[in-house]
Amino acid sequence: TQLLEQSPQFLSIQEGENLTVYCNSSSVFSSLQWYRQEPGEGPVLLVTVVTGGEVKKLKRLTFQFGDARKDSSLHITAAQPGDTGLYLCAGARTNAGKSTFGDGTTLTVKP
Amino acid sequence: NAGVTQTPKFQVLKTGQSMTLQCAQDMNHNSMYWYRQDPGMGLRLIYYSASEGTTDKGEVPNGYNVSRLNKREFSLRLESAAPSQTSVYFCASSRGLSYNEQFFGPGTRLTVL
Repeated sequence: TQLLEQSPQFLSIQEGENLTVYCNSSSVFSSLQWYRQEPGEGPVLLVTVVTGGEVKKLKRLTFQFGDARKDSSLHITAAQPGDTGLYLCAGARTNAGKSTFGDGTTLTVKP
Repeated sequence: NAGVTQTPKFQVLKTGQSMTLQCAQDMNHNSMYWYRQDPGMGLRLIYYSASEGTTDKGEVPNGYNVSRLNKREFSLRLESAAPSQTSVYFCASSRGLSYNEQFFGPGTRLTVL
C-alpha cells in the first residue's frame, strides 16, 4: 500500500504568519497534486508538480516536489483567513488509474 | 459547464434501506471515482472506473456497488445501508492520464440511522 503522510495534522496561526505543510511517502510518484477543501464543499485542485525538484508558485503559495519525487511541501506566505481549509496532497503513478490521498492538514488562520 | 454534479445533496436512511447516489460529469473525462470522507479524515477510495466499461475496487468497497452507465455517469449503490456508512460521499472525474488531476463534485451527506 502506498501511503502519503501529511504533517502537521492541524495548524492554527494568526493572520500574516508564514507556514509550511508537508507530504511524505516512501513511494515514488509520477506526479503529485495539492487540493484545498473548504467546509461543506468538495476538494479543489491547486497545483500539479511533476519533475523532481520542481517549484511552483500560486500567488502566496509555493509548492515544491522533492528531488526523488517521494515528498512535497506547501509554503504559505503571509497567511490570510481566506486560506483556512483542509489541504490534501495526492500522488499518482503512471497508468495506475487512481491516486493515493493523504489525510490532510487542517489550517485555521485567525484574523 | 457544470463540471461534476451529484444528487442528492443530503439523504437520511434507516438501517437496511437501499439507495443510489448519482454522479455525472460534462468534461468528457475518461476516469471517475467514488470516495467517502469521515470527520477528521482524508478521502478513502470506494470504487473507481478508469474508463467506460471498467470498474475496480478501491480501499473500502465492502457494502457498495457501482455502475459506469456511460462515459458521463457513474453511480454508487448501497444495497443495505448500515450506520457505519454514515459519511460524506464525493464523486470525482479526471482525464485519466499520468497526472490524474481530479475534479470533485459538491458531495452527498448521508446519514444512516
